[in-house]
Amino acid sequence: AQSVTQLGSHVSVSEGALVLLRCNYSSSVPPYLFWYVQYPNQGLQLLLKYTSAATLVKGINGFEAEFKKSETSFHLTKPSAHMSDAAEYFCAVSYTGGGNKLTFGTGTQLKVEL
Amino acid sequence: DAGVIQSPRHEVTEMGQEVTLRCKPISGHNSLFWYRQTMMRGLELLIYFNNNVPIDDSGMPEDRFSAKMPNASFSTLKIQPSEPRDSAVYFCASSNYGPQPETQYFGPGTRLLVL
Repeated sequence: AQSVTQLGSHVSVSEGALVLLRCNYSSSVPPYLFWYVQYPNQGLQLLLKYTSAATLVKGINGFEAEFKKSETSFHLTKPSAHMSDAAEYFCAVSYTGGGNKLTFGTGTQLKVEL
Repeated sequence: DAGVIQSPRHEVTEMGQEVTLRCKPISGHNSLFWYRQTMMRGLELLIYFNNNVPIDDSGMPEDRFSAKMPNASFSTLKIQPSEPRDSAVYFCASSNYGPQPETQYFGPGTRLLVL
């Protein structure tokens, strides 16, 4: 079975500081990994995804994530936080033959302070 | 593209009433997912369809919940009878279905309150 664990349900950073949101996965087969963002009162939207090509994946709004098989991690980073980044972030895992089903983590609420 | 369309956006009903949530997936997508989001339980997959066929309904909480997809452009999630613990935001998402996992596109959600 596949699963993801997001460490830290709440993360607070100052505007301009590095954003680091942690995600560790568990998968018995090569995983496909996703990061989604949810702004208040909206649905989820894709930030980026890893599909076994390059291990460093760049997404929208300046976010990127690096797939590290040895650490079973797919942490999300952004060099400089902006107030508009305040949202909830979800990591998710899937795999080939899984019928397109995603297994989501519990989410990390990002707060950006002045 | 209009994206995934859900209706209604908000629903307030009384316990025991029937509730029907509707979803129109993105044109051309052949996978459709229903999720429920609450503070306590987070984001839960209720059921998903590939090519209009239900594939996995193990997340449907109980027999009061049912979902249908009569054609490629429409799906419903019905709760009968509704209970206060069903209060949540219900999301529909759609994607292409293929050999590799594809991006799911989410609708804006239906916020359900059962009194």
